[in-house]
Amino acid sequence: NAGVTQTPKFRVLKTGQSMTLLCAQDMNHEYMYWYRQDPGMGLRLIHYSVGEGTTAKGEVPDGYNVSRLKKQNFLLGLESAAPSQTSVYFCASSVGLAGLYEQYFGPGTRLTVT
Amino acid sequence: QQPVQSPQAVILREGEDAVINCSSSKALYSVHWYRQKHGEAPVFLMILLKGGEQKGHDKISASFNEKKQQSSLYLTASQLSYSGTYFCGTVNAYGQNFVFGPGTRLSVLP
Repeated sequence: NAGVTQTPKFRVLKTGQSMTLLCAQDMNHEYMYWYRQDPGMGLRLIHYSVGEGTTAKGEVPDGYNVSRLKKQNFLLGLESAAPSQTSVYFCASSVGLAGLYEQYFGPGTRLTVT
Repeated sequence: QQPVQSPQAVILREGEDAVINCSSSKALYSVHWYRQKHGEAPVFLMILLKGGEQKGHDKISASFNEKKQQSSLYLTASQLSYSGTYFCGTVNAYGQNFVFGPGTRLSVLP
């Protein structure tokens, strides 16, 4: 099992450009999450999904969109990148609600917006 | 709503003990602990549920005081491999809104 994988690992964007981050999991988990991690702030939830075709906003959703067309994939999109979105992005999945079950994290994507 | 962690950072010598605290201003249903090594993804350590017992994992254990909305992570006889940033995550009394704390950086020196 690969667990949770993320593509790409690194990316540099110019302000205003768009991109999509791909997260894939092979554990048949219902729940998937996108977090961003900034120094001194821990991990903050951007969006999450409780199943195929469903998504919901997390703590810091502005500037991001998500889609979950297939159970195993969760996409994070930036329509018009801003320097404030420079961060490390982690995808995670869990078999049930995050409050009750452990989350499995992907290796992360380091995004720089210039 | 983000829980508070203390200390922010701690430096230990191999074999020493450490305690990391996590507290919330809201009533909690559960507390989670994760460890993240530099440049890697966070890894789950344990969950403590309301009404549950103290948990242990090798020489790392944790407690959860529901009345005080606090949890403590105990690292006994620390090893070099314990170095990393420890995050607590809390869930409110309704079992919703999982939120990570800002993290505690632990450095274990030989």
